[in-house]
Amino acid sequence: AQSVSQHNHHVILSEAASLELGCNYSYGGTVNLFWYVQYPGQHLQLLLKYFSGDPLVKGIKGFEAEFIKSKFSFNLRKPSVQWSDTAEYFCAVNAYAGNNRKLIWGLGTSLAVNP
Amino acid sequence: GAGVSQSPSNKVTEKGKDVELRCDPISGHTALYWYRQRLGQGLEFLIYFQGNSAPDKSGLPSDRFSAERTGESVSTLTIQRTQQEDSAVYLCASSRDGGNNEQFFGPGTRLTVL
Repeated sequence: AQSVSQHNHHVILSEAASLELGCNYSYGGTVNLFWYVQYPGQHLQLLLKYFSGDPLVKGIKGFEAEFIKSKFSFNLRKPSVQWSDTAEYFCAVNAYAGNNRKLIWGLGTSLAVNP
Repeated sequence: GAGVSQSPSNKVTEKGKDVELRCDPISGHTALYWYRQRLGQGLEFLIYFQGNSAPDKSGLPSDRFSAERTGESVSTLTIQRTQQEDSAVYLCASSRDGGNNEQFFGPGTRLTVL
């Protein structure tokens, strides 16, 4: 069965530290990859996505992610975090499985940034 | 423009009662999803509607859960004979189609079963 694994469940950083959140998926075919973010008290919203082309994608608020097909990974990075990045981060994969194109979600990573 | 809306925002019910949750997707979005998010956990897929196709119900945890959608409009998620383990935030999302497009999420309904 297809699955998405986020290795870090809870991450605590100080402001200006660098961030990398891991995401691996299990599916050998064509995939579309997403990172969603949920700030405290807010809706889930799209942070960035990869469909094709340049495997290094840039999203909002200085985030980027790199798709490494050989490693089945789509790690999220930010060179210098801010207190306002405190949120829950979810990796999701849309696998081309017939007509069923629902997203498969990781369990999420809770990021706390200390000022 | 209007986003995905859900009602009620909060629902407290007694064990054994039925509840109905509502989702209004973004106009024109053919795909609609229901998820459950328990405290401290990730999103759990429940059901997926795509246009007039038969819904994908593979995520519904038991036969107490059902959902309907009329055309490409409102959807209702019904939980019969609620149990305490049903307590969670129920999220609805819609997208332009069931493919590669971004899912837009509603604010969720927080269900508490006493």
